Order: sequence, then structure tokens, then C-alpha cells
Amino acid sequence: NAGVTQTPKFQVLKTGQSMTLQCAQDMNHEYMSWYRQDPGMGLRLIHYSVGAGITDQGEVPNGYNVSRSTTEDFPLRLLSAAPSQTSVYFCASSYSSGLADSYEQYFGPGTRLTVT
Amino acid sequence: GENVEQHPSTLSVQEGDSAVIKCTYSDSASNYFPWYKQELGKRPQLIIDIRSNVGEKKDQRIAVTLNKTAKHFSLHITETQPEDSAVYFCAASMGRMRFGAGTRLTVKP
Repeated sequence: NAGVTQTPKFQVLKTGQSMTLQCAQDMNHEYMSWYRQDPGMGLRLIHYSVGAGITDQGEVPNGYNVSRSTTEDFPLRLLSAAPSQTSVYFCASSYSSGLADSYEQYFGPGTRLTVT
Repeated sequence: GENVEQHPSTLSVQEGDSAVIKCTYSDSASNYFPWYKQELGKRPQLIIDIRSNVGEKKDQRIAVTLNKTAKHFSLHITETQPEDSAVYFCAASMGRMRFGAGTRLTVKP
């Protein structure tokens, strides 16, 4: 199994540009999520999905969109990049038996995004 | 929503000493408490986790304790080694996972 994969590894955008960060997993996990990691702030949840066709907002959703058309893929779209979105982005997946239950999250390798 | 506080933010110990990192959470419905280790430039990886129906769990040099009444849980690392140097994150979850801000542990040889 490849586990959780993310592309690209690095990206530089100009303010106002849009782009999509790709995330895929081959573990047949229902639950997938996107986090951003900034120095001294831990991992903050942007959006998450409990299955294909179902997404919801996390702590910091503004400026980002997601969709989940398949179990395997969970892309994150930046609509109009801003310098405040400079961060490291991690995608994660986990087994889930329901919204109120939690299991180990497996993280992708991350995407380092710089917005100038 | 859930709020997780983690202390200390940095911790420096001598090799062979013990290290303790503490977290508190706000949502009494949280039922899953994992700890992740993140080495520089790498992804977070689970090192140990505990569920709300258990008070303590141990895996070799690593242990986690949970006090549901006080809503706090702790990570204990004994006989620390230089390769334990990393950033450690606690988290609390009931479905959605909320992370602490992290503790940078440095183990001096």
C-alpha cells in the first residue's frame, strides 16, 4: 500500500492565484481530513469528510473548498491565494465507524505552500 | 467546540532522564486521545493512543495516563534517547480531532 499520498510537495503561488492540492489514499478509509500546520499552532483542521459525497468544515475553512467524489481522493482547493495561507498542508485518513468514533489518523507527507 | 492545551511548549532533558508532557481538553464527550511524534520535515506519526474507558496504557518506554474527571492526559517517556528528540502533539477527539500546539523535546547526549 502507498498509504496517503499528496502532490505537489512544494508550491509557490502569487496572491490571487488558485490551485488544487491533491490527496489520495489506498486503505479504503472512510474518513479523510485536511490540516494546516503553522509554527507554534499545531495542526488545525480545515475540512473533513466522513465518506464519498459528504464534507464538512473544520476550524479554519475560509478560503478553501473540498469535494469527495470517491473514497480514495480528497482534493483541497485554494480559491484565491493569500499570504496568510502560507503553511504546510497535511492530508490524513482514518478508519471510521461513525461520526462519534475516532481511530488513528494516517498522514500524507505534506505540501509546503508559499504565497507571495 | 473542543479546545486542547499542551504544556510545556519546549522541554530539554539529559539522555536517560524522563520526560513528561501534559494536555488538557475541554469537551467531556471526547473519547480518543492520541499522541503523535513529528520529526523535522516529516509527517506526524502515532506513537501511542488511549480511549476514555482506559486510565493508563504503556508501550515499552512510552506511557500515557488519562484523568477523565480532571480532563487531562499526559505522555511519559522514560530512559530518553537522542532519537526521541522531536515535536510531540497531543490530540482529543470525538469524531473530529483537535490538536495541541506541540512540545519540542530535545534530548541532550
